[in-house]
Amino acid sequence: DIQMTQSPSSLSAPVGDRVTITCRASQSISDYVNWYQQRPGKAPKLLIYAATTLERGVPSRFSGRRSGTSFTLTITSLQPEDFATYYCQQTYNAMYTFGQGTKLE
Amino acid sequence: EVQLVESGGGLVQPGGSLRLSCVASGFTFSNYAMSWVRQAPGKGLERVSAISDGAVDAFHADSVKGRFTISRDDSRGRLYLEMSSLTTEDTAIYYCAKEYIRRIPGTPDYNWFDSWGRGTLVTVS
Repeated sequence: DIQMTQSPSSLSAPVGDRVTITCRASQSISDYVNWYQQRPGKAPKLLIYAATTLERGVPSRFSGRRSGTSFTLTITSLQPEDFATYYCQQTYNAMYTFGQGTKLE
Repeated sequence: EVQLVESGGGLVQPGGSLRLSCVASGFTFSNYAMSWVRQAPGKGLERVSAISDGAVDAFHADSVKGRFTISRDDSRGRLYLEMSSLTTEDTAIYYCAKEYIRRIPGTPDYNWFDSWGRGTLVTVS
């Protein structure tokens, strides 16, 4: 099974700050990684697919990068609506494993 | 606008059964693979079942294999999840998710969930 190790599990930052969340895959998965945002009590929302492509309608302060088996989600200039939980997901195999989540406070 | 509305959740005793439904609208349902993704209270996300467009292929996570069955009715735009032999470990919000597949010749497909429903809560107690 492919494991997605996400860090940190929680993160505190002020409005206007820049934050980075990392997911490391347990094996090579090319760029088969997506990122989702989940606000409390809501369904997840797609932010980035194929590691680096911004979903239509998502603000450009969100970006994704890949370096080998390490994937990062960066949010520049945090806005109040960005405080949520973020999940990475691999779709290299049928398990579609998610990371454990990062709660941004 | 894409809409996915789940129903059928509720309180069930261990060993019991439940059938979840998801009504889809705003897109050509038959053209898309669909999944059920669950989230236990305070926990992360787990894709439990999936079905391809045309219902050619189905996937079930090891945690539910042999107990859950996914199906679809393209004529009605509905996705289902039949759950049996439920345990307390199955307590979760169950989300219906639409899967987008980008096919590039010579490489594995790229897949992501581009729309989600609001979920339906299943409590096994």
